[in-house]
Amino acid sequence: SAVISQKPSRDICQRGTSLTIQCQVDSQVTMMFWYRQQPGQSLTLIATANQGSEATYESGFVIDKFPISRPNLTFSTLTVSNMSPEDSSIYLCSVEFFNEKLFFGSGTQLSVL
Amino acid sequence: AQKITQTQPGMFVQEKEAVTLDCTYDTSDPSYGLFWYKQPSSGEMIFLIYQGSYDQQNATEGRYSLNFQKARKSANLVISASQLGDSAMYFCAMREPYSGNTPLVFGKGTRLSVIA
Repeated sequence: SAVISQKPSRDICQRGTSLTIQCQVDSQVTMMFWYRQQPGQSLTLIATANQGSEATYESGFVIDKFPISRPNLTFSTLTVSNMSPEDSSIYLCSVEFFNEKLFFGSGTQLSVL
Repeated sequence: AQKITQTQPGMFVQEKEAVTLDCTYDTSDPSYGLFWYKQPSSGEMIFLIYQGSYDQQNATEGRYSLNFQKARKSANLVISASQLGDSAMYFCAMREPYSGNTPLVFGKGTRLSVIA
């Protein structure tokens, strides 16, 4: 089955710094989705990343805060910029495989002090 | 209006018993897909089962089955023969339409605790 590798798995960061999360897939995919899960909450879509074009952001998320790169069909990064404690969340990438089924990376647990 | 409603914040089940986790959805699109995911304390999201709106039969994957009642707009997850390792958060999600690279919309989740 396809593999989605997400790094780092967890990190503790100081406020005001930035963290880049990587998502690597072992087969080519058209769309990659980035989600945030705040503590005790459900998942919320941050943006949709299509290779070769700018990411499409959901309401409440902006490119300056969450810049996304999608340089090829197997890789994407999400950066959480100028972090504050409110950014402490699990961040997950998601891709579609095998007849519209959507799978997730292992997630990045971010704590901001 | 919420697209996905999970009314059970928490559920308990005895080991080896079956349990049903409820999910109702709201859509006017005839083409949609329904998903269930398991999230253990590690935080990863594990795909369990998928049901397309045009699928005639209820989906099954091992001990997981999806009780799909289209007219009621419900897609309940049934876990048979519960195991201690089934203790986790369970999320119901929908994609509409189910093709075209659309993202998932999630319910608030149900925390399942399996008791020995």
